[in-house]
Amino acid sequence: AQSVAQPEDQVNVAEGNPLTVKCTYSVSGNPYLFWYVQYPNRGLQFLLKYITGDNLVKGSYGFEAEFNKSQTSFHLKKPSALVSDSALYFCAVRALSGGSYIPTFGRGTSLIVHP
Amino acid sequence: GAGVSQSPRYKVAKRGQDVALRCDPISGHVSLFWYQQALGQGPEFLTYFQNEAQLDKSGLPSDRFFAERPEGSVSTLKIQRTQQEDSAVYLCASSLEWTANTEAFFGQGTRLTVV
Repeated sequence: AQSVAQPEDQVNVAEGNPLTVKCTYSVSGNPYLFWYVQYPNRGLQFLLKYITGDNLVKGSYGFEAEFNKSQTSFHLKKPSALVSDSALYFCAVRALSGGSYIPTFGRGTSLIVHP
Repeated sequence: GAGVSQSPRYKVAKRGQDVALRCDPISGHVSLFWYQQALGQGPEFLTYFQNEAQLDKSGLPSDRFFAERPEGSVSTLKIQRTQQEDSAVYLCASSLEWTANTEAFFGQGTRLTVV
């Protein structure tokens, strides 16, 4: 069975500092990896994805993520955090399992950016 | 509207009551997903449609849960004889294509409370 781990329930960072939200995964085959963000009273919004090719993926709002196959990780990063980045972030994976590509989500990480 | 629309936004049901949750995906989107999200957890996959075909329903927790998408657009998730453990936010998401590397667009969810 495939799984996604987001080891930190909450990440605190000062505005202007770099941020990292961690994600590791466990799958049998090749993964498709996604990051979504959820603002209060809003649905989950797509940020970026890794399909194949370049391990560094760039997405919306200045976010990027690095796919590391050996460490089975897909950490979300941003060079300079904004207060408006404060939200709930979810990592997700889709890989072939039992003949289907069922999406599996992590439990989420709350990012708090302090002014 | 341009996004995924779910109704009702909130539903309170008495234990044993049947409920129906509606999802209007983005027009033209082929794939439609239902998820269950408990408090403090990530979305858990319930079922998946490609057009009107239900391709995977392995995440439905019991035979009290039933989903349909008869014309390949609007979908309904029905829960019969609701139990307290069914209390959660039910999320619907749609994707433009059927491929596993395609990102999903989420609705705001229906919060179901069983009393």
